[in-house]
Amino acid sequence: SQKIEQNSEALNIQEGKTATLTCNYTNYSPAYLQWYRQDPGRGPVFLLLIRENEKEKRKERLKVTFDTTLKQSLFHITASQPADSATYLCALVRASGGSYIPTFGRGTSLIVHP
Amino acid sequence: DAGVIQSPRHEVTEMGQEVTLRCKPISGHDYLFWYRQTMMRGLELLIYFNNNVPIDDSGMPEDRFSAKMPNASFSTLKIQPSEPRDSAVYFCASSIRDRGSYEQYFGPGTRLTVT
Repeated sequence: SQKIEQNSEALNIQEGKTATLTCNYTNYSPAYLQWYRQDPGRGPVFLLLIRENEKEKRKERLKVTFDTTLKQSLFHITASQPADSATYLCALVRASGGSYIPTFGRGTSLIVHP
Repeated sequence: DAGVIQSPRHEVTEMGQEVTLRCKPISGHDYLFWYRQTMMRGLELLIYFNNNVPIDDSGMPEDRFSAKMPNASFSTLKIQPSEPRDSAVYFCASSIRDRGSYEQYFGPGTRLTVT
């Protein structure tokens, strides 16, 4: 069966360090992979997308890698700040009848300590 | 634009009652999604619409759940009769296919509690 795995344990890091979050998947052939941020009591907010033929994508302090052989995406936040504390969700986007439908992982909580 | 609007923000009801959740997508978006989020199961896709037409409702848990999109600016998710296990946060999201990122814009969610 299809499965998306993100660390269920919270990631605690010190301000200024690089946070690295992992998204592993099995039995999927995604066209794209997205990362979202979710703050308590709010809906997810889109951050980045990476396509299956891309190895790496950057946006400001964010970097995403995508290894379709390992079936893994890594999400990095450099120079982390307490304001980066949130839950981060990965979503695998598959093509289905002309539509592109995401399936979400359960997310990893990031806590950045000042 | 005000973003995706959902109402009510909170709903507390008794088992057996009908519950209707409402969503107004972002103007011009042609996809609308309904999700349910719980601690146990994470964010689950229930149903999605394209140009007001339901495309895939395989995520709808059972016949007690139904969704409609009578026009491009309004959708409802109805649960009848509601059960305690339906307690969750329900999100509506919209997107536009022209965007190469296929990013979804989520509403603030409706927190449903069924007692």
